[in-house]
Amino acid sequence: DIQMTQSPSSLSASVGDRVTISCRASQTIGRYLNWYQQKPGKAPKLLIYAASSLQNGVSSRFSGSGSGTDFTLTISSLQREDFATYYCQQTFSIPNTFGGGTKVEIK
Amino acid sequence: EVQLVESGGGLVQPGGSLKLSCAASGFLFSGSAMHWVRQVSGKGLEWVGRIRNKNNGYATAYAASVKGRFTISRDDSKDTAYLQMNSLKTEDTAVYYCTRTLGFGFDPWGQGTQVTVSS
Repeated sequence: DIQMTQSPSSLSASVGDRVTISCRASQTIGRYLNWYQQKPGKAPKLLIYAASSLQNGVSSRFSGSGSGTDFTLTISSLQREDFATYYCQQTFSIPNTFGGGTKVEIK
Repeated sequence: EVQLVESGGGLVQPGGSLKLSCAASGFLFSGSAMHWVRQVSGKGLEWVGRIRNKNNGYATAYAASVKGRFTISRDDSKDTAYLQMNSLKTEDTAVYYCTRTLGFGFDPWGQGTQVTVSS
């Protein structure tokens, strides 16, 4: 199975900050990498698919980059509604494993 | 509106069975692969399994943790996917989500249904 490792596991940031979350795959996955946002008590929401494609309706302050084994989610200017937990996921092979999550909290 | 609605969760004793349903609307269900993902309270997301569409032979795949105990099926005439869970263990306690993929990310997701395995 492909292991997905996110870092950091949590971070504190202020509104307006630029935030970067990393995700590393245990083997190459091309660009089969997705990012989700989850708020407490809610289902995950797809933000980015295929490493860098923005899902319809998602704010352009979210962006993704990377290929192979190393990927990044960037929030260009953190807004209050962005405080949540973020997960990466690989869909290169079964099982479609998720990273452990990064909780973005208010500083 | 593209929507998935899960149902069938509840409290079950260890060793028992439960069948979850996932009703789809607003999109071509028969063309989509359907997945189940679970989340233990306060923990991360765990992929459970998937069923592909008719063109891909309704192929199923499962996480090692549920293989042999869980079965995913679908009824395209009812736009519904199912998760049959047998020989349930306390560690299967989680919120179960169904979700769709067309080959890229998982979207949309249902609201989730709670499954609690306890005596």
